[in-house]
Amino acid sequence: AQSVAQPEDQVNVAEGNPLTVKCTYSVSGNPYLFWYVQYPNRGLQFLLKYITGDNLVKGSYGFEAEFNKSQTSFHLKKPSALVSDSALYFCAVREIGTGANNLFFGTGTRLTVIP
Amino acid sequence: DTAVSQTPKYLVTQMGNDKSIKCEQNLGHDTMYWYKQDSKKFLKIMFSYNNKELIINETVPNRFSPKSPDKAHLNLHINSLELGDSAVYFCASSQGTILSGRAVTYNEQFFGPGTRLTVL
Repeated sequence: AQSVAQPEDQVNVAEGNPLTVKCTYSVSGNPYLFWYVQYPNRGLQFLLKYITGDNLVKGSYGFEAEFNKSQTSFHLKKPSALVSDSALYFCAVREIGTGANNLFFGTGTRLTVIP
Repeated sequence: DTAVSQTPKYLVTQMGNDKSIKCEQNLGHDTMYWYKQDSKKFLKIMFSYNNKELIINETVPNRFSPKSPDKAHLNLHINSLELGDSAVYFCASSQGTILSGRAVTYNEQFFGPGTRLTVL
């Protein structure tokens, strides 16, 4: 069974400070991992993904995430937060090698960047 | 140049009614999805279609019936609406890859803006 955990419902960070949004996953085999962002009253937007290769993945808007297999984590990071980064962030996983196409989403983390 | 569009954006209706939500994508993708996001923002897959064929049907009441007239469209019809159906419904699409004769995908999904359904 596949699952994703985002342990923090809310993350607050001051503008200009580094931010981290945590994600851990559980799959039987190897994972495909994704981060999406949802702005108010909008659909989800893709930020970045890990399929294979380098553990550090760079994505849109200056975000990056590090795949850590031993810790089964895929934390989202950004060196310097902007107020415009305030949104709801979702981590998602699907398992490599399964026929299913569906993503399992975490419960979301609301990021608030304080000016 | 909207990639994934949904209509209507808002839908308010009475219990027991039947309603449909339409979704269209102009990205040339072959896989489309319906998700339900509840009031706590939890997002759950409902259906997935690849090339107009149903490939995922999660535990969803059979009052929900997806219909895919072509690869670019995946509509969601809901019969006998209940209060618990109130949620935001998102359509999404992605490009699948055929591996060993099966459609699988690790490509990112593109989401529509959502349809907020309120059942009174």
